[in-house]
Amino acid sequence: QKEVEQDPGPLSVPEGAIVSLNCTYSNSAFQYFMWYRQYSRKGPELLMYTYSSGNKEDGRFTAQVDKSSKYISLFIRDSQPSDSATYLCAMSGGGSYIPTFGRGTSLIVHP
Amino acid sequence: EADIYQTPRYLVIGTGKKITLECSQTMGHDKMYWYQQDPGMELHLIHYSYGVNSTEKGDLSSESTVSRIRTEHFPLTLESARPSHTSQYLCASSDLRGRAFFGQGTRLTV
Repeated sequence: QKEVEQDPGPLSVPEGAIVSLNCTYSNSAFQYFMWYRQYSRKGPELLMYTYSSGNKEDGRFTAQVDKSSKYISLFIRDSQPSDSATYLCAMSGGGSYIPTFGRGTSLIVHP
Repeated sequence: EADIYQTPRYLVIGTGKKITLECSQTMGHDKMYWYQQDPGMELHLIHYSYGVNSTEKGDLSSESTVSRIRTEHFPLTLESARPSHTSQYLCASSDLRGRAFFGQGTRLTV
């Protein structure tokens, strides 16, 4: 079993929908939680970053962490075709703070 | 502006050639990484470094080698390129909390 599990999708939604992307993890030492967006043939870019449990909002994006359930989510409101990309979760902690990535979820927002 | 740079962006090379992929960062990070990623697939960590003169192999076995002589520079070398090495190679660095920042990648075709 991998340390970080993420459904690869693809997830296809209509423009304007609320998107929910999720990851589960097994290492309770993780303290920092990140979401990355990766467009085709580009490097991943850091989208959201949270520490420990709780919510963080940035524009149309909300990141949620539930450490008791070892479950993190990224919500995208009013999704746009330009949001079509692969979204990777990542987390770090436990001394080395080397990030561990999920395999990414492919999101398609169709007009 | 602090950033991470990879060169070249694209490389087409014949079998058996030696190649070096360059990666430099101006973010002042100690930790640096090389990932291999095929189209539509997950990231695979092939090498990482905690700092100068520190290099470790990652989760995915790779025939490449790395060096870390300067904090800002983390080149990856393939002594003899093969078609199986065709892939995208991504370099990254991370801060003390593990937030990673990526270069734009080098797309290698052998």
